[in-house]
Amino acid sequence: EVHVVESGGGLVQSGRSLRLSCTASGFPFGDFAVSWVRQAPGKGLEWLGLIRSSLWGGTIDYAASVKGTISISRDDSKGTAYLQIFSLKAEDTAMYYCARAPGWGANYYYFDHWGQGTLVTVSS
Amino acid sequence: QSVLTQPPSISAAPGQKVTISCSGSNSNIGNNYVSWYQHLPGTAPKLLIYDNSDRPSGIPGRFSGSKSGTSATLVITGLQAGDEADYYCGTWDSSLSAAVFGGGTMLTVL
Repeated sequence: EVHVVESGGGLVQSGRSLRLSCTASGFPFGDFAVSWVRQAPGKGLEWLGLIRSSLWGGTIDYAASVKGTISISRDDSKGTAYLQIFSLKAEDTAMYYCARAPGWGANYYYFDHWGQGTLVTVSS
Repeated sequence: QSVLTQPPSISAAPGQKVTISCSGSNSNIGNNYVSWYQHLPGTAPKLLIYDNSDRPSGIPGRFSGSKSGTSATLVITGLQAGDEADYYCGTWDSSLSAAVFGGGTMLTVL
């Protein structure tokens, strides 16, 4: 059975950085892309970025709104993907989800298994 | 402002049918596959439809999707109280080199 679990959230001071983890099991992690998505309070889902499998070069795409403020990486040997958020601001307060992303190439991906999310609260 | 446009809310009685629209452009829906997600805030979003109209195993046939040109549609028939949730369409935008979601539609079962 596929499991996806996010961790690393919490209460963080504005200006600090934070690294979230996404640990997956039940499938060959290295064969799939992974995406990060967040939901701020009262808002909709916001796609943050995607890291492809090594089959597709492990390339990464980011949403324009967060490019330069986040970094996504993966360690296939640990079945884990990471989201680093730099210089946190109040507007980064959100539930952060990761999702397994079946697909291939440059532009064919969807999100079939999601974690329960990890809450990040940024305080001033 | 989302790249994909959905109605903010929709409501219907149990047993009825609802249609949720998702409007985009040639750079996203017009040339890429659409997926649909059901989400109760604070829980894991659930994939309902992928590749415009395919259902993952375990998703009942009451949920169906379609795409025409630069628009996509999710139809839910035989509405149940448990269907009350937020629904999002998603696709890839080739111009942005990014995945995009609609703004979400809150479904209320009266």
